[in-house]
Amino acid sequence: GAVVSQHPSRVICKSGTSVKIECRSLDFQATTMFWYRQFPKKSLMLMATSNEGSKATYEQGVEKDKFLINHASLTLSTLTVTSAHPEDSSFYICSASYGTVDGYTFGSGTRLTVV
Amino acid sequence: GESVGLHLPTLSVQEGDNSIINCAYSNSASDYFIWYKQESGKGPQFIIDIRSNMDKRQGQRVTVLLNKTVKHLSLQIAATQPGDSAVYFCAESIYGNKLVFGAGTILRVKS
Repeated sequence: GAVVSQHPSRVICKSGTSVKIECRSLDFQATTMFWYRQFPKKSLMLMATSNEGSKATYEQGVEKDKFLINHASLTLSTLTVTSAHPEDSSFYICSASYGTVDGYTFGSGTRLTVV
Repeated sequence: GESVGLHLPTLSVQEGDNSIINCAYSNSASDYFIWYKQESGKGPQFIIDIRSNMDKRQGQRVTVLLNKTVKHLSLQIAATQPGDSAVYFCAESIYGNKLVFGAGTILRVKS
């Protein structure tokens, strides 16, 4: 089946630094990748949709300069949290699709802690 | 904005009993629905899906029911096992576009 690898699984960084999270589709080409954010005991909130080779589409309220998304190839999308602050601490999850919504596969998530 | 539920209720069931998890969705135009299981510290895992032209779909030990009249979705788990303990989310989509997740339900299985 379709496998999505997300790395790192956990990261701790200092305030003011930037952190990059990678999302890779291992055995299929992902035309679309999605980035979600999840707070403890809360649901997944879609942050942005990225299509290979084009700019990401951000959801309302998500700062595009804060959360940089790059989808340079059909198997890799990255999310960079720039100038991280403690309020950016969260669980970030990616999903990749090979074309339709029923083709979505989720990564295992990244726990970001900003100290 | 789009939303599918706002709270995170907890459902406690005895091992071996059946579980019913409910979800109210908000967008009547949604045409595809998925149930996910999420264990602590992991990404969502697909359980079962249903399209809007159906009202029931069965999988292995799971059944999804869709009531479009009242915009309600339910997940039934038969003979609930301790390994079923997790958070369950419903998600909706319109015309194959982005998924919008519901608030989730914590399922606790007592042995």
